[in-house]
Amino acid sequence: EPEVTQTPSHQVTQMGQEVILRCVPISNHLYFYWYRQILGQKVEFLVSFYNNEISEKSEIFDDQFSVERPDGSNFTLKIRSTKLEDSAMYFCASSESVAADTQYFGPGTRLTVL
Amino acid sequence: DQQVKQNSPSLSVQEGRISILNCDYTNSMFDYFLWYKKYPAEGPTFLISISSIKDKNEDGRFTVFLNKSAKHLSLHIVPSQPGDSAVYFCAASDPSGTYKYIFGTGTRLKVLA
Repeated sequence: EPEVTQTPSHQVTQMGQEVILRCVPISNHLYFYWYRQILGQKVEFLVSFYNNEISEKSEIFDDQFSVERPDGSNFTLKIRSTKLEDSAMYFCASSESVAADTQYFGPGTRLTVL
Repeated sequence: DQQVKQNSPSLSVQEGRISILNCDYTNSMFDYFLWYKKYPAEGPTFLISISSIKDKNEDGRFTVFLNKSAKHLSLHIVPSQPGDSAVYFCAASDPSGTYKYIFGTGTRLKVLA
């Protein structure tokens, strides 16, 4: 069964460093999303991406964040200068379409900022 | 601003009995709802969904009920099994943008053998 994959599973970085989280969405899906979950809190939407551009972003997704689909399979989230409060689980999701279509989530990347 | 609420942080049920997980929402524009199951250190796994044009959807042991007038949905698991022990998240698809999901805070279900 097709699934969303994410690498790395755990990333430890120093405050102020750049990190890139990688995702491979399900191959025939066209809509891509990043969510995050800070420990003990709920899963929160960060950004959606379609047709090689950002469709929607939350207030969390500030100028330190960027997304890219560098090739036909990968979807990346970059945090330019990490802060302690960026420590969280980051989940990538994809869906075939929007509007009452199910988003399938990857296993997540645990980002720890020291 | 909690648009999707799961008021029970935890629930314990005996194996073989029914588990009922509840979820409330505030935005009447939400038109598609989902339940996800999550194990520690894993991503949310899709379980079952329901469109706002229905009031019930069933898939094996899992049934989701939607009461639009009360802005309430529930997930029934019958019979409950120890492998069902996980955190269950309710999510609503927000049609105001790109149908991003708004998640509840989750309910930790423990099924006792």
